[in-house]
Amino acid sequence: AQSVAQPEDQVNVAEGNPLTVKCTYSVSGNPYLFWYVQYPNRGLQFLLKYITGDNLVKGSYGFEAEFNKSQTSFHLKKPSALVSDSALYFCAVRDDTGGFKTIFGAGTRLFVKA
Amino acid sequence: GEEVAQTPKHLVRGEGQKAKLYCAPIKGHSYVFWYQQVLKNEFKFLISFQNENVFDETGMPKERFSAKCLPNSPCSLEIQATKLEDSAVYFCASSQSNGRTDTQYFGPGTRLTVL
Repeated sequence: AQSVAQPEDQVNVAEGNPLTVKCTYSVSGNPYLFWYVQYPNRGLQFLLKYITGDNLVKGSYGFEAEFNKSQTSFHLKKPSALVSDSALYFCAVRDDTGGFKTIFGAGTRLFVKA
Repeated sequence: GEEVAQTPKHLVRGEGQKAKLYCAPIKGHSYVFWYQQVLKNEFKFLISFQNENVFDETGMPKERFSAKCLPNSPCSLEIQATKLEDSAVYFCASSQSNGRTDTQYFGPGTRLTVL
């Protein structure tokens, strides 16, 4: 079965500093990995996805993610954090059974301090 | 439209009452997914549709939950005889197709509170 793990409940970073939100995955075949962000009282917004190709995937709002097959990781990164980046971040993998539903990690809350 | 629309934003029901939630997928998207987000942010898949046909209903508690996607109408998720544990945010998502690589775009959710 496919799964993702987000080892940190919360990440704190100062504005202007680089940020990393960690995700590891477990899949039986090719990994199709996604990052979503959830702002308070709003739905999930798609940030980026890894399908194949370059290990560094660039997404929305200046975010990028690094796919590492040997470490089975897909960490979300941003070179310079903004206070407005404070939100809940979800790593996700597409299920490989017939329905292709999305399987989410537990979420990591990012706090960016001014 | 360019966004998944969900109504209502908030819904409050007494235990045992019926709740009905609606979702309009992005125009041109053939697949609709329903997810339930409970305490501690956990997402649970409920059901998916390909146009008006159920695609995967392995997550649905069938005794009280039902869902439909009819042509030219918003999709709906209905809970008969709500229970306290049904309190959650219900998200709808749509995708153009159902490949493993296709992005699912999510609506803003409906927060259901069962008292």
